[in-house]
Amino acid sequence: QQQVKQSPQSLIVQKGGISIINCAYENTAFDYFPWYQQFPGKGPALLIAIRPDVSEKKEGRFTISFNKSAKQFSLHIMDSQPGDSATYFCAALRRGGGADGLTFGKGTHLIIQP
Amino acid sequence: EAGVTQFPSHSVIEKGQTVTLRCDPISGHDNLYWYRRVMGKEIKFLLHFVKESKQDESGMPNNRFLAERTGGTYSTLKVQPAELEDSGVYFCASSQVRRGELFFGEGSRLTVL
Repeated sequence: QQQVKQSPQSLIVQKGGISIINCAYENTAFDYFPWYQQFPGKGPALLIAIRPDVSEKKEGRFTISFNKSAKQFSLHIMDSQPGDSATYFCAALRRGGGADGLTFGKGTHLIIQP
Repeated sequence: EAGVTQFPSHSVIEKGQTVTLRCDPISGHDNLYWYRRVMGKEIKFLLHFVKESKQDESGMPNNRFLAERTGGTYSTLKVQPAELEDSGVYFCASSQVRRGELFFGEGSRLTVL
């Protein structure tokens, strides 16, 4: 059972466009939702994260939109650049002690065309 | 400051053999995690150490996998005997505080033939 569903699997966007990646979760015990960016040959790196008490968080060109009632969250990359080409993973973490492992989505391979 | 380092970067072994993966976390990070990504699938949590203690090993697939963290420093993940389905990329990550930002290594790609 996949607890965090991510779409699309791959995405091609023109330079300057908006890239949108969506995730949906099932477990209402999740209380922390990070996005990780991974370049080929490298490990994932934290890009931006949100907690469910806010509906939006923006850092530069990257924005997370969060819809608690729909149990969905999305990553928007504004003015997408070729350097943004990477694999993006959404993830979720349960609140409470004893379970500190992130639950990841399957990833989205993003290509920004010049 | 050095990041999380993993060794080897790539290992090719035959079914039934043993492989040991090593992870050196960022100095001072008490929390160390192992994750695995099988081709085309999500990155899956395997286990979490706080210093030398296993805090959560709920993601370990079976008893063919053994993780240790000697003295709360580096960690090893041994697969014995390896099966075909063990192929994938094994990531190690560390964090300074529990449930804090994770810093991932570049991964160890394991291919079991």
